[in-house]
Amino acid sequence: DIRLTQSPSTLSASVGDRVTITCRAGQNIDSWLAWYQQKPGKAPNLLIYKASNLEGGVPPRFSGSGSGTEFTLTISSLQPDDFATYYCQQYDSYPYTFGQGTKLEIK
Amino acid sequence: EVQLVESGGGLIQPGRSLRLSCKGSGFTFDDYSVSWFRQAPGKGLEWVAFIRSQAYGGGTQYAASVKGRLAISRDDSRSIAYLQMNSLKTEDSAVYYCTRDRRTTVVRGQIRSNYYYNDVWGKGTMVIVSS
Repeated sequence: DIRLTQSPSTLSASVGDRVTITCRAGQNIDSWLAWYQQKPGKAPNLLIYKASNLEGGVPPRFSGSGSGTEFTLTISSLQPDDFATYYCQQYDSYPYTFGQGTKLEIK
Repeated sequence: EVQLVESGGGLIQPGRSLRLSCKGSGFTFDDYSVSWFRQAPGKGLEWVAFIRSQAYGGGTQYAASVKGRLAISRDDSRSIAYLQMNSLKTEDSAVYYCTRDRRTTVVRGQIRSNYYYNDVWGKGTMVIVSS
């Protein structure tokens, strides 16, 4: 199975901050990586697919980059609605796997 | 509106069976592959099963933790995917989500590879396995 390691596990930030979350894959997954946002009691919401493609309807303050084994999700200017948990997921091969999540908290 | 709605969850005793349903609307269901994921309380996301569209053979994939006990199927005439859950264990307790899977095809020489990402998620249905 492909291991994904996200960092940090928790991130405290303020509205207006620029934040970056990192996801490292245990092997080369090209660009087959997605990012999701999940709020308590809700389903995950797709933000980014194929490492850097913004899903329709997602605000442009979200961006993704990387390929191979190292990937980042950046939120350019945090908004109140962005405080949530973020997961990376590889879809290079089955079984699909996720990072352990990054909880973005209000400082 | 593109939508997936899961149903069929509930409280069930260990060793019993349960069938979850996932009904799609707002899109051509049979054009898409479908997956099931789950999330135990307070835990991360886990992929469970996948079924291709019939146009791509209808093949399936399973997580090792559920292979032989859970079975994914689909009825395109009703726009429904199912997850048949047998021999349930307490560790199967989770919210179960179904997803619509979008395909990207990459051609490298003679080899054609398909990659699927999960663009639409249902709200989930909770399964609690407990005596």
